[in-house]
Amino acid sequence: QSALTQEASVSGTVGQKVTLSCTGNSNNIGSYAVGWYQQISHGAPKTVMFGSSLPSGIPDRFSGSKSGTTASLTISGLQPEDEADYYCSTWDSSLSARVFGGGTKLTVL
Amino acid sequence: QVQLQESGPGLVKPSQTLSLTCTVSGGSISSGSYYWSWIRQPAGKGLEWVGRIHTTGSTNYKPSLKSRVTISIDTSKNQFSLKLTSVTAADTAVYYCARESPGIGVDYWGQGTLVTVSS
Repeated sequence: QSALTQEASVSGTVGQKVTLSCTGNSNNIGSYAVGWYQQISHGAPKTVMFGSSLPSGIPDRFSGSKSGTTASLTISGLQPEDEADYYCSTWDSSLSARVFGGGTKLTVL
Repeated sequence: QVQLQESGPGLVKPSQTLSLTCTVSGGSISSGSYYWSWIRQPAGKGLEWVGRIHTTGSTNYKPSLKSRVTISIDTSKNQFSLKLTSVTAADTAVYYCARESPGIGVDYWGQGTLVTVSS
């Protein structure tokens, strides 16, 4: 049971906008910035968003937001290379530990 | 550009100690206020945070692993290390080292190394 809840799977067509969500509580998402990590074919994860900031080299079709205890990663103009597993993560003050969501498998149809 | 590289045995016997080292290049491990972390991923499962060490030496560990985990830092070698004692098959996973920036989270990842616990 992950501390953060993500959809198990999401799908979209090329060019479509998709939004992945990550739900937590006041001890984690409600208090800290959320990071999003892309993992393609079980390779090493890559950071695609921290908070609402894009790391260098990440296309600006990726955007992040947060409302209360739910964070979202939006991909506008979905591309085939976006097909991957996506994980959210943040700090949890009640656990004094970093927590991850269970991951969302994004399929590009 | 910061780069991280894990190293260590790929096979550990049950009840023994898993030891991994992460070598950091492209910057000094002691500069800035960063956390240096270990994250693992069992086959077919999600990411699991193991723990981290700050450049000051302070540590945080996942509560369920705390009794078995030690993370240390060697600034002279630009490395940090993970020791996990009394391992079982449940500790078999790909282990990643990573850098966490305060207020941001994980920004750089290593390539990962597979550790199998088996006799």
